[in-house]
Amino acid sequence: DAGITQSPRHKVTETGTPVTLRCHQTENHRYMYWYRQDPGHGLRLIHYSYGVKDTDKGEVSDGYSVSRSKTEDFLLTLESATSSQTSVYFCAISGDLLNTGELFFGEGSRLTVL
Amino acid sequence: AQKVTQAQTEISVVEKEDVTLDCVYETRDTTYYLFWYKQPPSGELVFLIRRNSFDEQNEISGRYSWNFQKSTSSFNFTITASQVVDSAVYFCALSRNRGYGNKLVFGAGTILRVKS
Repeated sequence: DAGITQSPRHKVTETGTPVTLRCHQTENHRYMYWYRQDPGHGLRLIHYSYGVKDTDKGEVSDGYSVSRSKTEDFLLTLESATSSQTSVYFCAISGDLLNTGELFFGEGSRLTVL
Repeated sequence: AQKVTQAQTEISVVEKEDVTLDCVYETRDTTYYLFWYKQPPSGELVFLIRRNSFDEQNEISGRYSWNFQKSTSSFNFTITASQVVDSAVYFCALSRNRGYGNKLVFGAGTILRVKS
């Protein structure tokens, strides 16, 4: 199994509070991603990273920011959580597309915003 | 724009029945990759297969088989002799061979329930 750890795995917070989810990998993969999963939408890309300090937006990036200061860590921050951000968040990693390309996912972090 | 459609929201079958999960995609790229992932009730996402756009050969892995047809932009997944352990949400996904990384676009998923 790919070495990906997400923390926390479960979190309940209140509207307006900041939240940070952490993704840690031990595979030394270049690419890291944050997705959210919602019923009827499948998984949607929030942000991704293609190297240390190199990040870019996905299709649902509003209200989220990310940082990657080390190869192994990719942080997702909700500056001021809203109820619409209640979701399951998955971190993923991948190597070079031409070699493998498949994403390996963490176990998910369930966030509830009250 | 890229899009993946899994028209079947939920399918219920009885054990040992064959079942096909449909996946239709849209892309303007000539080179792209298609994927299937399984999400069992425990919640993790399990990679099943990757197929590139230049390889239209069907693939079989045990009870699983995949039918890729570029002419109809479809990448369907068949489970033969289904088992209760096949109960899961199945996602089809599409990526593009451009830019950085492998940014997958997922379908909404199909819930498969296999009853004993």
